[in-house]
Order: sequence, then structure tokens, then C-alpha cells
Amino acid sequence: AQSVTQLDSHVSVSEGTPVLLRCNYSSSYSPSLFWYVQHPNKGLQLLLKYTSAATLVKGINGFEAEFKKSETSFHLTKPSAHMSDAAEYFCVVPNTSGSRLTFGEGTQLTVNP
Amino acid sequence: ETGVTQSPTHLIKTRGQQVTLRCSSQSGHNTVSWYQQALGQGPQFIFQYYREEENGRGNFPPRFSGLQFPNYSSELNVNALELDDSALYLCASSPPTGMNTEAFFGQGTRLTVV
Repeated sequence: AQSVTQLDSHVSVSEGTPVLLRCNYSSSYSPSLFWYVQHPNKGLQLLLKYTSAATLVKGINGFEAEFKKSETSFHLTKPSAHMSDAAEYFCVVPNTSGSRLTFGEGTQLTVNP
Repeated sequence: ETGVTQSPTHLIKTRGQQVTLRCSSQSGHNTVSWYQQALGQGPQFIFQYYREEENGRGNFPPRFSGLQFPNYSSELNVNALELDDSALYLCASSPPTGMNTEAFFGQGTRLTVV
């Protein structure tokens, strides 16, 4: 079975500083991996996805993530945080058929002025 | 194209009652999945419907049931509501699924059981 572990439940950064949200995965096969963002009172939105084409994946709003098989990690980064980045972020792994998504517990990102 | 819409947005029910939540899938999508998100947790997969048939189920009891209609919209029904059923219920639609398929989520229905 596949799973993801988000290593931080809360991350707080200052506006303009880098963001790092950590995710480790466990899978018996080479997985696809996603990052979704959830703003208050809004639905989940896909930030980016890894599908084995390239290990460094660029997403929307300046976010990117790097798939590292040796470390079983898929950390989300952004060079400079913006106030609008404050939200809940989820690392997600689908099953092989894509019929279900397994979510991590989420990381709440706070951006301080 | 229209996005995924869910109704109602908020709902309060009494323990033991039954509830029906509704979801209209995004145009062109024939697959609908339902997730339960308890407060402070990640969403948990309930089940998926593809072409009106259940196509996978998570670890939820039979009192959680669903339907998908010919227009691909869907319902989630929960019988004999319990306090622990209080959560945000999310619907997601997608084209025919594969491991790389993106799911598009609605804003959810906030269910409170008292």
C-alpha cells in the first residue's frame, strides 16, 4: 500500500523568505505524487504533479517540488513566500489505477508580514 | 467549462437522521469520487463512481452509500448519522482515471451532526 507522511503540521515563514514543506512517501511501485493546496472556504487545487517524466516539477504560483527516490521524498518549495500562499497543503499519492487518492495529514502554512 | 459544484454548502443534522449530499461533475468528466475531511485531517477516500457503477471503496461502513446518474452527477447518502460523521465532504470529478489523472474538487459540504 502507498502512503505519504508530511513531516510538519505547521510551518511559519516571513513574507519574502523561502518556503519548504516536507513530504516522504512509501510505495511498493514507482508512484505518481501530487501537491494540492486548500485555501479557507475553497476547494482543493492541484499545485503540481510528478509523473516520472522529470524529477524537478514546476507548478503554479512559483511552487516546485523535487522527486528524490533515494530519499523517498517529494518536498515542496518556493523561493519567496507571499501572503496569499497562506493555506493548507497536502501531499497526495494515487493508487495504481488512479481510483483513489491518499492524502497526507496536511501542513498549515502561515506567512507573516 | 463549469467546475465541480456541491450542494448544500452547510448542513446541520441530528444524530440518527439521514442526509443526502449532491455533486455536479465538471463538464466532460465521467468519474466522481467522494472524500471525508475531518477537522484538522487530510481527506479520506469514501468511494468512486465511474459510469454509474461503484469503482472502489475506502474503509467506510455500508451506511455510506452513493449513486451516479447518467449525466455523471452524484449523490452521497449517509444513514443513521453519528456525531463522528461531522466533517467536510468533498466531491472530485475527473476524466477516466489513470495514475496521473488530475481530480478537480468542489468546495465541499460542511456537515455538522448534533
